Amino acid sequence: NAGVMQNPRHLVRRRGQEARLRCSPMKGHSHVYWYRQLPEEGLKFMVYLQKENIIDESGMPKERFSAEFPKEGPSILRIQQVVRGDSAAYFCASSPQGDVLYFGPGTRLTVL
Amino acid sequence: QKEVEQDPGPLSVPEGAIVSLNCTYSNSAFQYFMWYRQYSRKGPELLMYTYSSGNKEDGRFTAQVDKSSKYISLFIRDSQPSDSATYLCAMEKGGSEKLVFGKGTKLTVNP
Repeated sequence: NAGVMQNPRHLVRRRGQEARLRCSPMKGHSHVYWYRQLPEEGLKFMVYLQKENIIDESGMPKERFSAEFPKEGPSILRIQQVVRGDSAAYFCASSPQGDVLYFGPGTRLTVL
Repeated sequence: QKEVEQDPGPLSVPEGAIVSLNCTYSNSAFQYFMWYRQYSRKGPELLMYTYSSGNKEDGRFTAQVDKSSKYISLFIRDSQPSDSATYLCAMEKGGSEKLVFGKGTKLTVNP
């Protein structure tokens, strides 16, 4: 059983561009979570999704950030008009029932 | 006061030492407690998961929870160089579905 997959692993964007981060959960997992890890900081919750539904987005910045988990295909975290402060590692996690989380390898976003 | 406090270290020990890693928390609503290990430039990997006060052992790892003191610990016996990583404590309130992490403690085990 493959683990949580994220791509790209590294993403470089210039200020003002869009960043799209993809996450494929483990097989059989219907719960997806996105966390952000800033340098020298712990992981911070961003959003929790189930298929076609956003369950909790209390950790998402109010502007420029959005997430989806469509019926078919991976979960997408989208950041519009990126700024330098968005540079971080973004981790996706999945869970079969919302208890134990299994994390992916992360996408490291660098904004120039 | 942050919800979860964790000494970032760094912590450096010789091979074979017993390592003690700790977190404190302020919110008594936390019911589930986890320890994750994160190697450099990798994703966090779950080590231990517990929801009650007391000890839980898994091989060389022991997780300890003291809800009355709002204090959790992870002990590593016979530490190995391969244990060198950042250790993150994480907690969850019942029904919340989101984890609150400590900043992580960076551990180096020297051969």
